[in-house]
Formats: sequence, C-alpha cells, structure tokens
Amino acid sequence: EDKVVQSPLSLVVHEGDTVTLNCSYEVTNFRSLLWYKQEKKAPTFLFMLTSSGIEKKSGRLSSILDKKELFSILNITATQTGDSAVYLCAGETSGSRLTFGEGTQLTVNP
Amino acid sequence: GAVVSQHPSWVICKSGTSVKIECRSLDFQATTMFWYRQFPKQSLMLMATSNEGSKATYEQGVEKDKFLINHASLTLSTLTVTSAHPEDSSFYICSARDSGSGRRAKNIQYFGAGTRLSVL
Repeated sequence: EDKVVQSPLSLVVHEGDTVTLNCSYEVTNFRSLLWYKQEKKAPTFLFMLTSSGIEKKSGRLSSILDKKELFSILNITATQTGDSAVYLCAGETSGSRLTFGEGTQLTVNP
Repeated sequence: GAVVSQHPSWVICKSGTSVKIECRSLDFQATTMFWYRQFPKQSLMLMATSNEGSKATYEQGVEKDKFLINHASLTLSTLTVTSAHPEDSSFYICSARDSGSGRRAKNIQYFGAGTRLSVL
C-alpha cells in the first residue's frame, strides 16, 4: 500500500522565520511528488517534482526531490502570516493516483 | 487558468435521501477527474477515479453503489451519494487532471473548493 508521511504535523513560527517541511514517500510506480497548500477549502497547487536534485522555486517557496532517499522538502523563507495553512504532500503513480500525507499545519504569528 | 468549480459548497439533507455533487473544469478539458473524502484534521483519501465516457474506478472499501460517479463530458463529473446516512457526513472534494495544453504543465490535478455534506 502506498504511503506518504509528513513531518512535522504542526509548526508555529514568527514572521520572517524560515521553515522546512518534510515529506517521505513509498509509492509503487512512482511518477511525481506534488506539494499543495490548503488554507480553507481547495488545495492549491504549488510544485510538481519528477527529477531528483532539481530545485523548483516560486518566490519565497522552493522544493526539491531525492528519489534515492524517497524524500522531498518544501522550504519557505521570510515567512508571512499569509503562509499560514496546511501544506500537503502527495505521491503520484503512473496511473495518476495521488496518495496524500497527513499535512503540516503551519502557523505564522506576527 | 486551471480552475475547478465544485457545487454545492454545503448541503444538509435528511437520512435516506440522495445528494448530487458536481465538479466542473472551467477552462480546460479533463478526461480524468478524481473524488476524495476528507475527515476533520485528516488528509484527503481517494475514493474513485472518474474517466470520461467509461466506468469509474473505485478504491478498495468504497461502495460503488453508494457513491455513484458519472463523467458524461470532458468538463463535468458528478458524485451522487445515494441513501445518505449520518456516517456519510464529510467533506467531499474533487480534482481534475489537466492533460496540459499550450504552456501549462501536464498531469497536474487541480482541486475544487469541496462540498461539506451534513446528513441529519
């Protein structure tokens, strides 16, 4: 059975801090690793990672995948209160099935 | 771009009634859509994969007669919860896979805003 584990499950930081969110996966017929941000309802897409060692960046967010260690991290620098959300990691199979982790609840205090 | 609309956002129904939830891809075509269920403070659990023009594929433990899925067009999938009971109360959320056109990346699933179902 496919499995995705995220850590930490929750994190409280102050504005301006840098955070690293972790995701490990065991997915049969693995195709990609995706990160989503879920604030209230709809998860919004952040990154899709398919290749090891290639960092993807979008503003203050960046992510990288290690296919040997079956691991990904999501970094957020200079955090803002608007970054407060649940960050979800999902492993995708070649058949497009997503297995989600439990998510990391990030709270950024002013 | 890549917007997925889900309707209704919240529905309350009596036990024994059926409820239909719609999922539409607004600015792209989606041959494949997915239905998830999310319990409070838990992650999304895949229920079924909906393919346009063919039968849905259900995950283990999901009753196909209970959760009817229809994917009649490239932009619309529906989930009908039949004879709903209180234990069916949950947050149901759909996604649509963008096969990618033009500059958009392929195979990304975009999510609707979800439907909160409360069965009395």
